[in-house]
Amino acid sequence: QSALTQPASVSGSPGQSITISCTGTNSDLGAYNYVSWYQQHPGKAPKLMIYDVRVRPSGVSNRFSGSKSGNTASLTISGLQPEDEADYYCTSYTSRNTVLFGGGTKVTVV
Amino acid sequence: EMQVIESGGDLVRPGGSLRLTCKVSGFDFSSYAMSWVRQAPGKGLEWVSGISGSGGATYNADSVKGRFIVSRDNSKNTLHLQMNGLRVEDTAVYYCAKDFFFNLATGNAFDMWGQGTMVTVSS
Repeated sequence: QSALTQPASVSGSPGQSITISCTGTNSDLGAYNYVSWYQQHPGKAPKLMIYDVRVRPSGVSNRFSGSKSGNTASLTISGLQPEDEADYYCTSYTSRNTVLFGGGTKVTVV
Repeated sequence: EMQVIESGGDLVRPGGSLRLTCKVSGFDFSSYAMSWVRQAPGKGLEWVSGISGSGGATYNADSVKGRFIVSRDNSKNTLHLQMNGLRVEDTAVYYCAKDFFFNLATGNAFDMWGQGTMVTVSS
């Protein structure tokens, strides 16, 4: 199975909003609302930011929001801050009973 | 305090075997699915295997099907990954991840991760 498709990089200035897309197929992202997003800083373990498309775990800033339309999910970061600079990954459950990660998006705060 | 600690990573020859262990504490282990996720050096995350809270359902990525076996011992709060027929492309940091849900098929969100254990496959 191919990874979900994410842009390699997205950048923004402090205070701006950015959106990361995650595109799958009718067999994964389009078929289930089991979409999650993870943030990973260099040398660190990933951190869950969003699950079930749009649910924020306790402790995650409300500047992070998720959505989905058809075979594409999106993560929006509002009021971009320097500490948001990291790699972001989406995941989806699939019809083959597996979990698929996206290729990852490097967010740069310029 | 909730903790997830992996161990067992090592340098192994192609074709060899290795068994990873994940020891958890601070939560009701049997109530949650667990997964192994790996990350090759400089690359992205790849889900490898998952197991339901009871251990009755297991799931594997196509890339490891038939070679890796995930299991758990709820009496000892431990998760294992038996890796056989190792290949150079299996070289990665292997993370143990706790799921928010009981079964991957009803939702999956990895809300707690260990720091990872390094597996290097090289001749």
